[in-house]
Amino acid sequence: RKEVEQDPGPFNVPEGATVAFNCTYSNSASQSFFWYRQDCRKEPKLLMSVYSSGNEDGRFTAQLNRASQYISLLIRDSKLSDSATYLCVVRIRLLSSGGYQKVTFGIGTKLQVIP
Amino acid sequence: EPEVTQTPSHQVTQMGQEVILRCVPISNHLYFYWYRQILGQKVEFLVSFYNNEISEKSEIFDDQFSVERPDGSNFTLKIRSTKLEDSAMYFCASSESPETRGYTFGSGTRLTVV
Repeated sequence: RKEVEQDPGPFNVPEGATVAFNCTYSNSASQSFFWYRQDCRKEPKLLMSVYSSGNEDGRFTAQLNRASQYISLLIRDSKLSDSATYLCVVRIRLLSSGGYQKVTFGIGTKLQVIP
Repeated sequence: EPEVTQTPSHQVTQMGQEVILRCVPISNHLYFYWYRQILGQKVEFLVSFYNNEISEKSEIFDDQFSVERPDGSNFTLKIRSTKLEDSAMYFCASSESPETRGYTFGSGTRLTVV
């Protein structure tokens, strides 16, 4: 099983639609979770951190399910400008190794919002 | 908004040559990182740097690679004896608090080895 797994898509949705992405992770020691957005040939940009209680930022809602080891991103009322690749990022901190940490990116899910 | 600055934006080099990629992290950030992304593939962690030393490195970051913080602002990645497969986008990132605030990425240096 991959450390961080995402459906690469593409997800083609009409403007105004609601779309959801999931990301699964394999290591139960994972501690921090993030969603990044990456436009074509650009750098990743932090979209939002993902907290255990779930969090919302405008049209974007992120959820964490530790029991099933996945995080999700929900985008409501999709805009053309939401077209991008959404990267799931998982950070593991293993205290037994003196604070070793590992950050793993998923391959990303490509979203295309259609007029 | 503060940003991470990388230079050059594009570097073409011949196989076997050495390259130095430069980064200026955000000034109040203490954690620095290099990542790479081969075209069409996922972003891969190379190395993290804190308190003037490497804190973690991946299996990709072998003896061919080194990092330096030569002064209070620059953070460099040196790749010795470049190979064709080193061609990728190299991103520098910095963070104030990696556990809670994630990372701010620079716009990247596209390295092409010919």
